[in-house]
Amino acid sequence: EIVLTQSPGTLSLSPGERATLSCRASQSVTSPYLAWYQQKPGQAPRLLIYGASSRATGIPDRFSGSGSGTDFTLTISRLEPEDFAVYYCQQYGGSPWTFGQGTKVDIK
Amino acid sequence: QVQLQESGPGLVKPSETLSLTCTVSGNSVTSYYWNWIRQPPGKGLEWIGYVYHSGSTNYNPSLKSRVTISVDTSKNQFSLNLRSVTAADTAIYYCAKEKLRMTMVRGVLTPLHEAFDIWGQGTMVTVSS
Repeated sequence: EIVLTQSPGTLSLSPGERATLSCRASQSVTSPYLAWYQQKPGQAPRLLIYGASSRATGIPDRFSGSGSGTDFTLTISRLEPEDFAVYYCQQYGGSPWTFGQGTKVDIK
Repeated sequence: QVQLQESGPGLVKPSETLSLTCTVSGNSVTSYYWNWIRQPPGKGLEWIGYVYHSGSTNYNPSLKSRVTISVDTSKNQFSLNLRSVTAADTAIYYCAKEKLRMTMVRGVLTPLHEAFDIWGQGTMVTVSS
């Protein structure tokens, strides 16, 4: 099983600042089948990024994904008020699909 | 636009079977991989398993001995059964669709796995006597 470790656990930032979230895999993620999701309280997760760097439909271009192998990054270039949430990475390159434990982005 | 809606009991007794259904609207279940994912209160996400319209399945090994996921094409639904539940199975249960990605393999159009692009709203299931 591929274990995904996200860091930091919590990121305290102000609107307008840049957020950099990390996701590290215990072994190389195939091809790279890695996704990022945003989850707000009481809501289902929403797909932001798939294939490590492709934005999902309707996702603003302030969200970008990068990385390969075992190290992946989600960057939010300028935080908007609606971006404060929990973010999860997920790999689907090797069964079982697994999620990271999440990074909470909160308002400083 | 595809929409998913989970349904089923919100309370299940220990040792019994948790049964949930996901109704698909806006598209047919005879496409895509269909998944179940759960989230214990205040915790992270755990993938349970998927079913394809052909009936092929794959389950998380941590739950494999207790899980069955099936698809009913006539009702445009897919379902989750989790047997012998305990309090540790208390969670929000989500159904989700994988984004479609196809490739040619030896001349045959073959589906590949992708991220979960459509999620149901989730249904809370509590295991308690």
